[in-house]
Amino acid sequence: EDQVTQSPEALRLQEGESSSLNCSYTVSGLRGLFWYRQDPGKGPEFLFTLYSAGEEKEKERLKATLTKKESFLHITAPKPEDSATYLCAVQTSGSARQLTFGSGTQLTVLP
Amino acid sequence: DAGVIQSPRHEVTEMGQEVTLRCKPISGHDYLFWYRQTMMRGLELLIYFNNNVPIDDSGMPEDRFSAKMPNASFSTLKIQPSEPRDSAVYFCASSSGQGLEQFFGPGTRLTVL
Repeated sequence: EDQVTQSPEALRLQEGESSSLNCSYTVSGLRGLFWYRQDPGKGPEFLFTLYSAGEEKEKERLKATLTKKESFLHITAPKPEDSATYLCAVQTSGSARQLTFGSGTQLTVLP
Repeated sequence: DAGVIQSPRHEVTEMGQEVTLRCKPISGHDYLFWYRQTMMRGLELLIYFNNNVPIDDSGMPEDRFSAKMPNASFSTLKIQPSEPRDSAVYFCASSSGQGLEQFFGPGTRLTVL
């Protein structure tokens, strides 16, 4: 059974304090790993797709990386507007189009 | 460029009533997904369609839940009869045939009293 585990559950940072969120996965045949951002009362917003180990993608203060067992979402010099829940999801070769989501990391950036 | 549209945004109903949630996917997307999100279980896939045909409904909790997609621009998720444990946020998402990414709507917050 595909498993996705995110850590920590919650993270509080001071503005400008860089950190990383972790997403570890146990799947058979990864097709893609996805990062989403979810603000309270809204739907998940797509951020990145990673397809293979060693791949990296960046968007503003966010950088996502992928290994064979886990993915990291690095947040550099975060701002209060980066506060949100960050969700990780995987799609496997045996699951057609289904995504399996982790439980998320709730990030709070204090001014 | 309109994203995924869902209605209503909020629904409050009494136990035993029928509830219908609606979704309009992004134009040109041929996959449509229904998810449920709760604090206890997170985001769970209920059912998904490809070209209006249901492909996998193994996530539908029980026979009280049904989903249809009569055309490429409209889908419904129906709960009949509703129960308090159905209270959750229901999301619709769509994706194209070329990309794996799914794009989510704003969700419908359902409260069953």
